[in-house]
Amino acid sequence: SQTIHQWPATLVQPVGSPLSLECTVEGTSNPNLYWYRQAAGRGLQLLFYSVGIGQISSEVPQNLSASRPQDRQFILSSKKLLLSDSGFYLCAWTNSGSSNEQFFGPGTRLTVL
Amino acid sequence: LAKTTQPISMDSYEGQEVNITCSHNNIATNDYITWYQQFPSQGPRFIIQGYKTKVTNEVASLFIPADRKSSTLSLPRVSLSDTAVYYCLVGAGTYNTDKLIFGTGTRLQVFP
Repeated sequence: SQTIHQWPATLVQPVGSPLSLECTVEGTSNPNLYWYRQAAGRGLQLLFYSVGIGQISSEVPQNLSASRPQDRQFILSSKKLLLSDSGFYLCAWTNSGSSNEQFFGPGTRLTVL
Repeated sequence: LAKTTQPISMDSYEGQEVNITCSHNNIATNDYITWYQQFPSQGPRFIIQGYKTKVTNEVASLFIPADRKSSTLSLPRVSLSDTAVYYCLVGAGTYNTDKLIFGTGTRLQVFP
């Protein structure tokens, strides 16, 4: 069966510090991968998606970046965090070329102080 | 991508049927309609998906009229554990580059 992992589960970082959040998927190959951010009490905002290794599409201009070094690994990064980067970060995957059903990871709650 | 409009919030009582309607006037021919449920501090969870008419699973029913410009998620006999945010999404599932856009969803509160 397929599983999706995210770490860390929670993170508290000072403003201006770097960020690296990791997401890995098991039990499937060539998935579409997604990074979302959810601010408190708000909907999900799509940040990045990827249809293959090294292929990243950015949805929102920001100081975050994403990379996909391996087929089932998706990394969200920042060189310098802002207060506005605080939120709940979710990674998700879908089977490429098939249904709309997205499978979400457990999320990372990031607090920037 | 078709934009969706849902009520911001709804209240219900245990044992009642809840119907949440979503508008998607610009839905494209190859778009599917998908509903997700999200509990606090968790990722959304797939509930149901449909293209037209009616779809039913063990959790919910999805009603889609002939023009497909709206859809209604029906939750039979809700319980306290159904308190969550429900998202309606519209998108095609046949191409690798498709991406799903989540709106703000409908916050359902179930009371005892």
